[in-house]
Amino acid sequence: QSALTQPASLSGSPGQSITISCTGTSSDVGGYNYVSWYQQHPGKAPKLMIYDVSHRPSGVSHRFSGSKSGNTASLTISGLQAEDEANYFCISYTTNSTPWVFGGGTKLTVL
Amino acid sequence: EVQLVESGGGLEQPGRSLRLSCVGSGFTFDDYAMHWVREAPGKGLEWVSFISWTGGSIAYADSVKGRFTISRDNAKNSLYLQMNSLRTEDTALYYCAKDIKLGATRGAFDIWGQGTMVTVSS
Repeated sequence: QSALTQPASLSGSPGQSITISCTGTSSDVGGYNYVSWYQQHPGKAPKLMIYDVSHRPSGVSHRFSGSKSGNTASLTISGLQAEDEANYFCISYTTNSTPWVFGGGTKLTVL
Repeated sequence: EVQLVESGGGLEQPGRSLRLSCVGSGFTFDDYAMHWVREAPGKGLEWVSFISWTGGSIAYADSVKGRFTISRDNAKNSLYLQMNSLRTEDTALYYCAKDIKLGATRGAFDIWGQGTMVTVSS
């Protein structure tokens, strides 16, 4: 089962905006609006940032937003802050034999 | 406080078994689907298994199908993962996670436990 494709690393300066992509196929990202994004700091449990492509759970900053175009979902972080430095993972429902598949993760560095 | 607490991890030999438990509190446990997700050392996240709020719908990752069994006891607010025929590649931190959606699943996990470490080694 192939993971969804994310860039291994990205970096940005405080105040900038960055976008993390999550590319799949029509069997997963492209076919369903069940894409979620998680933030994980080292040694901590993941935290849900976006679900159903673009919905923000209560308590998550409005600086985080999600979208989808075709087979690629995206997480955009605006006004980068030092505390945004973390690993970010996407997950999507898939019609393959394993029904949920994570992306490989993106390490975000705030310069 | 809404929380999940896992237990049952440890060191086990290849081919042996372990049973993980997860107890939920601070929310109506039997209203929500539950999942197990694992994180191998130095690796990313891997979805492992799902069980619906009633226990009537269950799914597994191909990597554990036929070896792992998920179950729940709503009277005890508890989720379980029976892990048989363990392999070295099952070594990971195992998290239980609550789905955000009432009565359904979105693969959106809004509450996570702290994880329980499983090490499979001879």
